[in-house]
Amino acid sequence: AQSVTQPDIHITVSEGASLELRCNYSYGATPYLFWYVQSPGQGLQLLLKYFSGDTLVQGIKGFEAEFKRSQSSFNLRKPSVHWSDAAEYFCAVASYSSASKIIFGSGTRLSIRP
Amino acid sequence: DVKVTQSSRYLVKRTGEKVFLECVQDMDHENMFWYRQDPGLGLRLIYFSYDVKMKEKGDIPEGYSVSREKKERFSLILESASTNQTSMYLCASSSTEAFFGQGTRLTVV
Repeated sequence: AQSVTQPDIHITVSEGASLELRCNYSYGATPYLFWYVQSPGQGLQLLLKYFSGDTLVQGIKGFEAEFKRSQSSFNLRKPSVHWSDAAEYFCAVASYSSASKIIFGSGTRLSIRP
Repeated sequence: DVKVTQSSRYLVKRTGEKVFLECVQDMDHENMFWYRQDPGLGLRLIYFSYDVKMKEKGDIPEGYSVSREKKERFSLILESASTNQTSMYLCASSSTEAFFGQGTRLTVV
């Protein structure tokens, strides 16, 4: 069965510092992987996705993520965070057959220290 | 732009009531989903549908049912609402990635 683990419930980083949010997945075949962001009181917005090809994917707002099959990981990174990046971040996995469910992790809440 | 519209932002219902949450998408997507979002638990899949009249249980289907009579509309039904169903409910549709509605915050009293 598909599953997603985000081991960090809450992370605080200083503005301007680098960021890495961890995501590990469990899935038998090659997964489709996603990162979503949810700002306070807002809906979920797609940051980036990996389907195939280059394992380093670029997303919106300066985020990137790297797919590492050997580690079953898809960690999200940003070189320099801004106060507006404070939000909750969700990693998700899908199989993408014709009838595919998308499974989400429990989320990581990011706080930014001024 | 893809639009996923949930009929209500906030709902307050009484224990034992039958509750309908409606979701409509305008992009002709095959797949639609209902999740509930609770603090510390992330998004948990209740049901999803991959075609009209087709549905599959997600991880937490107990106490819920769904209906998909038309491709654009996916309804979540709480047959007899209970206080432990107080939550934020999110609808999504997808072709590749999922697009989400704004959510319905349901309170069962």
